[in-house]
Amino acid sequence: EAGVAQSPRYKIIEKRQSVAFWCNPISGHATLYWYQQILGQGPKLLIQFQNNGVVDDSQLPKDRFSAERLKGVDSTLKIQPAKLEDSAVYLCASSVAGAVISETQYFGPGTRLLVL
Amino acid sequence: AQSVAQPEDQVNVAEGNPLTVKCTYSVSGNPYLFWYVQYPNRGLQFLLKYITGDNLVKGSYGFEAEFNKSQTSFHLKKPSALVSDSALYFCAVRDSASKIIFGSGTRLSIRP
Repeated sequence: EAGVAQSPRYKIIEKRQSVAFWCNPISGHATLYWYQQILGQGPKLLIQFQNNGVVDDSQLPKDRFSAERLKGVDSTLKIQPAKLEDSAVYLCASSVAGAVISETQYFGPGTRLLVL
Repeated sequence: AQSVAQPEDQVNVAEGNPLTVKCTYSVSGNPYLFWYVQYPNRGLQFLLKYITGDNLVKGSYGFEAEFNKSQTSFHLKKPSALVSDSALYFCAVRDSASKIIFGSGTRLSIRP
């Protein structure tokens, strides 16, 4: 079974530029998550999709971050414009249904973003 | 508000010795507890979880964790450490009313 795929793996941009990250979850997984992991910290949930609907985006900085999952499969996370403090690893995860509290999430390798 | 704490930034253990990585939590309802491991330049990999039932949970790679409700802890353990266990370990918690929250991580270093 293929895992969660993410691209690119690394990205370097200057502040105020835009950047987009792509994620393809495990086949058949209805729920998709985007996390931000700042160096030295644990992952923080940015947004959770159930199929193509948003379940939780309470910690997404909506003035600059946006995400979509149009067909309920792959997803794109965008930052526009980027700030220095956005430098982090962006992790995508998926789970089978998402409605079960104890459900295991499966993570992709992440995209490491550096904003200069 | 729910929270999770990993009080040790780093744990150093000699190969072959037992290891413990500590985790304490705070939730308003029944806790659902998870341990994940992260190797360099990799995403998080699931190790084990506690939902209900037996307080001792067994997981991948010989790891286990003990749920202690009175001490609100969920420490990760392994009887005999391997050099290949060296990685970053994250404890996570959620309850029925909230999203999952991860601890800040503990770097485990196993010396030969």
